[in-house]
Amino acid sequence: NAGVMQNPRHLVRRRGQEARLRCSPMKGHSHVYWYRQLPEEGLKFMVYLQKENIIDESGMPKERFSAEFPKEGPSILRIQQVVRGDSAAYFCASSPSQKNTEAFFGQGTRLTVV
Amino acid sequence: DQQVKQNSPSLSVQEGRISILNCDYTNSMFDYFLWYKKYPAEGPTFLISISSIKDKNEDGRFTVFLNKSAKHLSLHIVPSQPGDSAVYFCAASSNTNAGKSTFGDGTTLTVKP
Repeated sequence: NAGVMQNPRHLVRRRGQEARLRCSPMKGHSHVYWYRQLPEEGLKFMVYLQKENIIDESGMPKERFSAEFPKEGPSILRIQQVVRGDSAAYFCASSPSQKNTEAFFGQGTRLTVV
Repeated sequence: DQQVKQNSPSLSVQEGRISILNCDYTNSMFDYFLWYKKYPAEGPTFLISISSIKDKNEDGRFTVFLNKSAKHLSLHIVPSQPGDSAVYFCAASSNTNAGKSTFGDGTTLTVKP
């Protein structure tokens, strides 16, 4: 039973390029959460998605960032025109329902913008 | 405005002794609290949690205490082991949705042999 899978593990992009981060939730989980961790800080909630729906995007920057969780396939966090400040670790978590007492995290994608 | 605070960035204890990690929160709407453990280059892994209707939850060597009036929780690890060395994050959520949590900045625990 595979856990939450994120890829790539490491991603290097030049300023102005696009970054696409993928997250496959645990089997049977239809709720996905994206977090960002800057150096020396805790994880900051970005967006909560259920299959084909964005439930809560209160932590998502208004520009350049978008997320989706299609009916088929992984959830995608997309960052357009990346800047150096986007360099961070991005974690995805999943849960089987909205009421849940534990979320399962992937190993993260470390994005470096050069 | 940081709603979940872990005021000690680091803690060092001797193997076999007790480790106490502290966490304070400000939002009264939080009703569920979790502790996660994180190793470098890995994602956080769930350790233990507590609902706001309780004041203590125990799981093996790990115990979490919640003081709602003080908006304070703590994680006790007894006895501490070198393998416990990691970053510990306190997290809080509302409506019992642990997936959407507010995290503290973490405490790095080092357990010396």
